[in-house]
Amino acid sequence: KAGVTQTPRYLIKTRGQQVTLSCSPISGHRSVSWYQQTPGQGLQFLFEYFSETQRNKGNFPGRFSGRQFSNSRSEMNVSTLELGDSALYLCASSFLKLPGPNVYEQYFGPGTRLTVT
Amino acid sequence: AQSVTQLGSHVSVSEGALVLLRCNYSSSVPPYLFWYVQYPNQGLQLLLKYTTGATLVKGINGFEAEFKKSETSFHLTKPSAHMSDAAEYFCAVSTWLQGAQKLVFGQGTRLTINP
Repeated sequence: KAGVTQTPRYLIKTRGQQVTLSCSPISGHRSVSWYQQTPGQGLQFLFEYFSETQRNKGNFPGRFSGRQFSNSRSEMNVSTLELGDSALYLCASSFLKLPGPNVYEQYFGPGTRLTVT
Repeated sequence: AQSVTQLGSHVSVSEGALVLLRCNYSSSVPPYLFWYVQYPNQGLQLLLKYTTGATLVKGINGFEAEFKKSETSFHLTKPSAHMSDAAEYFCAVSTWLQGAQKLVFGQGTRLTINP
């Protein structure tokens, strides 16, 4: 089974621009989560989608948004980029039959490294 | 709110020596705990997880961790380090909001293996 794929792997943008990152989950996985990883803040949760619905969102400004499509693929968008948005953005997918307080393993993709200049 | 503290941002051991990476958690409910490993330029790979049941959890690549409720700890160990174990390791605790799980990670511990 193919793993989680993220595109592109590397991206360089200029302050003020916007960017869209893509994540394809493992086949059959319906839950997709996004995390931001920086040297200073570590790994921080951005948001989670299940069946095209955002169920959980981390403490990030509204410039960070996402969506999920009917095939479970997900995109995240960052508008009006700032230097501090430079980070590794990780996507994780999970097999989840029903929503609820279940414990499920999250499988991570290789990430998209975004550099804002 | 759940949180995780990893003691030591860098740990260095000799090849063949014991690996011990420390993790303490804070949780108001029974915690679900995870250890992930990250190799350079890669995503996170799950090493092991604790949900309920046996407190000694065995994972991949010879790693294991013991859940100690009285010490609020979930330390990761490996009896004999290999060069290939050099990586960054993250301890994480599950938390839920509106029925959705999210992982709260520690700051990570970079493991260096000396030949």
